[in-house]
Amino acid sequence: DAMVIQNPRYQVTQFGKPVTLSCSQTLNHNVMYWYQQKSSQAPKLLFHYYDKDFNNEADTPDNFQSRRPNTSFCFLDIRSPGLGDAAMYLCATSRDGVSSYEQYFGPGTRLTVT
Amino acid sequence: LAKTTQPISMDSYEGQEVNITCSHNNIATNDYITWYQQFPSQGPRFIIQGYKTKVTNEVASLFIPADRKSSTLSLPRVSLSDTAVYYCLVGDMGYQKVTFGTGTKLQVIP
Repeated sequence: DAMVIQNPRYQVTQFGKPVTLSCSQTLNHNVMYWYQQKSSQAPKLLFHYYDKDFNNEADTPDNFQSRRPNTSFCFLDIRSPGLGDAAMYLCATSRDGVSSYEQYFGPGTRLTVT
Repeated sequence: LAKTTQPISMDSYEGQEVNITCSHNNIATNDYITWYQQFPSQGPRFIIQGYKTKVTNEVASLFIPADRKSSTLSLPRVSLSDTAVYYCLVGDMGYQKVTFGTGTKLQVIP
């Protein structure tokens, strides 16, 4: 089945130690997103790629970076994780130009910072 | 992006119809209304989308009045497995970004 895959599902990192979360999709969608979701809060958009074009949200900290080497893969890099970065990180995709707007979400990666 | 307002939580008994209303007073002409469902420790899942009047699929119905300043998600005969958070989003069809509102936590009671 076509889907959005996130690895790992659980990630533990140390304070200040760089960490990379990965997302892959078999849907061949041209738009990919990264969201941060903290406990009991709504998902918050960090940035998205429209094809190769990177779009950063104004309030996304510089500590968060992203790479999209090809259509299928997208990475979230946290350069120096702080305790406040502990959260669920959600990857999503969508196909621009279709008649029905819909984002397909992966299962998320839960990040713990120690 | 239009801001949305939803009740924080709702309780319902199994088998009842549940209606969740979302207010979006500053919705723009090109904006569509989309609803997502999220279970704990999972990513949100698309439920339904509409522009005006009524939309129905195999999961839910979406009612949108003529002024489009609000919308109501209707879940027929809920079961325990419908316990989740439901988010209302508003944006135009071409938008590549969304802002999730606070969401409504629905608790279905046996």
